[in-house]
Amino acid sequence: DTGVSQNPRHKITKRGQNVTFRCDPISEHNRLYWYRQTLGQGPEFLTYFQNEAQLEKSRLLSDRFSAERPKGSFSTLEIQRTEQGDSAMYLCASSLETGRDEQYFGPGTRLTVT
Amino acid sequence: DQQVKQNSPSLSVQEGRISILNCDYTNSMFDYFLWYKKYPAEGPTFLISISSIKDKNEDGRFTVFLNKSAKHLSLHIVPSQPGDSAVYFCAASGGGANSKLTFGKGITLSVRP
Repeated sequence: DTGVSQNPRHKITKRGQNVTFRCDPISEHNRLYWYRQTLGQGPEFLTYFQNEAQLEKSRLLSDRFSAERPKGSFSTLEIQRTEQGDSAMYLCASSLETGRDEQYFGPGTRLTVT
Repeated sequence: DQQVKQNSPSLSVQEGRISILNCDYTNSMFDYFLWYKKYPAEGPTFLISISSIKDKNEDGRFTVFLNKSAKHLSLHIVPSQPGDSAVYFCAASGGGANSKLTFGKGITLSVRP
């Protein structure tokens, strides 16, 4: 079991550029979540998938953010026209649909927008 | 409006003693509560959880207590070890299809040798 992996681990980009992050969940997990964490705060929910269906999106997720999970395996999170306020740690988590919401997190992607 | 609150930003305890980390919540629809531990530059690591139908769950040195009437939970670590030094997050979910986690701001635990 390799756990949840995320790539890249760090991304520095200039304001206005587009960025894409990838998450590979634990292989048998059918649920996949994206969270964002800023300094001094706990992770904040962005969106989640059950298999390939995107079931919920947070109000935090502006139109510049889009997430996909084709074929219910890995997921990508794209941010278009990045802003300095997008600088944060982007965390991916996965879980089984068991009624117990134990989510297992990846190491995160640190985004810095200059 | 913060639905999960960890009001103490930090806690320092002596090695071998008990660490008690507290968490309060406001949303009575929360059905499941979890504690995560986080080291710098890593993602949160799941520690222990408790369903709203229980008032205690124990796993080795870690015990979580839930007081539904007070909307309060706590994590007890006994005995505390220097390797326990990390940021601890309390989280809650509504269960079922409402499985997203709502986190507190975290508490930094320092265990002194």
